[in-house]
Amino acid sequence: SAVISQKPSRDICQRGTSLTIQCQVDSQVTMMFWYRQQPGQSLTLIATANQGSEATYESGFVIDKFPISRPNLTFSTLTVSNMSPEDSSIYLCSVEKGPKETQYFGPGTRLLVL
Amino acid sequence: QKEVEQDPGPLSVPEGAIVSLNCTYSNSAFQYFMWYRQYSRKGPELLMYTYSSGNKEDGRFTAQVDKSSKYISLFIRDSQPSDSATYLCAMSETDKLIFGTGTRLQVFP
Repeated sequence: SAVISQKPSRDICQRGTSLTIQCQVDSQVTMMFWYRQQPGQSLTLIATANQGSEATYESGFVIDKFPISRPNLTFSTLTVSNMSPEDSSIYLCSVEKGPKETQYFGPGTRLLVL
Repeated sequence: QKEVEQDPGPLSVPEGAIVSLNCTYSNSAFQYFMWYRQYSRKGPELLMYTYSSGNKEDGRFTAQVDKSSKYISLFIRDSQPSDSATYLCAMSETDKLIFGTGTRLQVFP
């Protein structure tokens, strides 16, 4: 398994500002993922972040809005840029470790945009 | 049609009951099947992992995969109040997990 921490755990932000969420893993991993979970909805993959390469974004998500950094094998950041109330959500990072396709999740960052 | 369908519940059962949680899916290429448990205000926690068809048991939990029917199940025996959570199914062909919307389970004493 993997132990994952996220900072901040929650935040309240004003529209038009940006927030950077940090994800730290206790061991080196190749693949890290960022998800969004809106109330009553499933987890939606935003992007996949591999160390040493550009993040791969899913349909509906763009780099200008959600820039991602992956400077090493234990750390990643997701920035939510130019926020609007529609960005209010829980943002989760995960890592793939162990059996193929197995992902472990961080505790999430609860974001409220006013 | 969604790729993965899951009854959102809520499902309310008495302590000690057997609980059955289910998901159906449309993509026959899915090979990896998982169940996650998510407590309120926490991240999803991996509960069960199954590759291809068959059953897998871990303590009070049993996961079943029926690829011919495109149907997966999670059974919880002797359910406890501590099992109260949202249960998410997830499945994958390769490198991308597709999640169900989650079933909220409430086990009352």
